Amino acid sequence: GQNIDQPTEMTATEGAIVQINCTYQTSGFNGLFWYQQHAGEAPTFLSYNVLDGLEEKGRFSSFLSRSKGYSYLLLKELQMKDSASYLCAVRDGGFQKLVFGTGTRLLVSP
Amino acid sequence: GAGVSQSPSNKVTEKGKDVELRCDPISGHTALYWYRQSLGQGLEFLIYFQGNSAPDKSGLPSDRFSAERTGGSVSTLTIQRTQQEDSAVYLCASSLVQNTEAFFGQGTRLTVV
Repeated sequence: GQNIDQPTEMTATEGAIVQINCTYQTSGFNGLFWYQQHAGEAPTFLSYNVLDGLEEKGRFSSFLSRSKGYSYLLLKELQMKDSASYLCAVRDGGFQKLVFGTGTRLLVSP
Repeated sequence: GAGVSQSPSNKVTEKGKDVELRCDPISGHTALYWYRQSLGQGLEFLIYFQGNSAPDKSGLPSDRFSAERTGGSVSTLTIQRTQQEDSAVYLCASSLVQNTEAFFGQGTRLTVV
């Protein structure tokens, strides 16, 4: 089976840096995705990691350690518009389906 | 099409009635997913189609739920004898191949009264 854990909620201040962690236990592994979801909207893709290490894309970076079953999403220079839910998803290696964690609700305050 | 299209965007139905939700994936995308999201919750996996392979139905919560994908394109999720606990947003996503990002539709908000 699959088990994907994220903190339920985090708060941060505009301009700060925040790290959202994700741990997973799956029967196989074929990539980890991060999505952003604003309230009432569909999730949108942020990043994809399949090899260990850091992937940087503008203000957002994502890290993966396959041996530890661990990833994080790093958001720099936070803006009010970054207030959203951040969803970690793992592609199961055996069945290839994409399984999501429960998401982390981030609130950015002035 | 330009993106994943789902219809209807909203559906209110009476308990016990059947409903059909439609998903039009991005043209050429071979992988298609259905998820359910209850208010304030994460995405619950329902079913996954990949090309002509047998679908992964392991997430369907009961035998009242079924889905099909005709001609490798449009998919329909059917819920029979709807219950109040079926109320949720049903999201469809598609990807070009199985190891690339999935693009989501705007979802169908289902309310069972």
